[in-house]
Amino acid sequence: SQQGEEDPQALSIQEGENATMNCSYKTSINNLQWYRQNSGRGLVHLILIRSNEREKHSGRLRVTLDTSKKSSSLLITASRAADTASYFCATDGGNNRKLIWGLGTSLAVNP
Amino acid sequence: GAGVSQSPRYKVAKRGQDVALRCDPISGHVSLFWYQQALGQGPEFLTYFQNEAQLDKSGLPSDRFFAERPEGSVSTLKIQRTQQEDSAVYLCASIRGGYNEQFFGPGTRLTVL
Repeated sequence: SQQGEEDPQALSIQEGENATMNCSYKTSINNLQWYRQNSGRGLVHLILIRSNEREKHSGRLRVTLDTSKKSSSLLITASRAADTASYFCATDGGNNRKLIWGLGTSLAVNP
Repeated sequence: GAGVSQSPRYKVAKRGQDVALRCDPISGHVSLFWYQQALGQGPEFLTYFQNEAQLDKSGLPSDRFFAERPEGSVSTLKIQRTQQEDSAVYLCASIRGGYNEQFFGPGTRLTVL
């Protein structure tokens, strides 16, 4: 069963704008990861944030984690058409093995 | 190899047929995972191996699903007597020891008619 819920389910923006997507989860975690999926490259890991971290940056990506609210957000700044994809959050459910996934946010970046 | 590979990429089966899906993880990766992804959904965990040991198979939907990794590298997911609800993309991922980032293969799209 899916643990997380992302919102919005779909997001359409113009190139150059920022995109923010949110994820909520249900159980305790050791870490939370964000992945991107498109038809060209499949599922690709973007960033991992540990439960004792509150914010992490990687290039144009910024991830926040609020363990008290069991939620995370992914911000993509200065979006590009190539960022068009589905974005998923995944948690380890506290056991560091299988990942439990949300339903994903479908992002369309229009040129 | 450079990444996780899966074969076949596409498989069409008639209901009731058996299918076998193969996964070649990144060389040296100890842990291997299988996920099932239905259209418009996130992946759902099926099973997990550490080397040749299947440590968690709690996600396998029924006893028609069977996975093995006999030598701790290549893994095969077998589905017996396929049903239409088995239609999905089957994803394989591997992890380097001590890390959490999962590297995914391109998936096998299974269509059961």
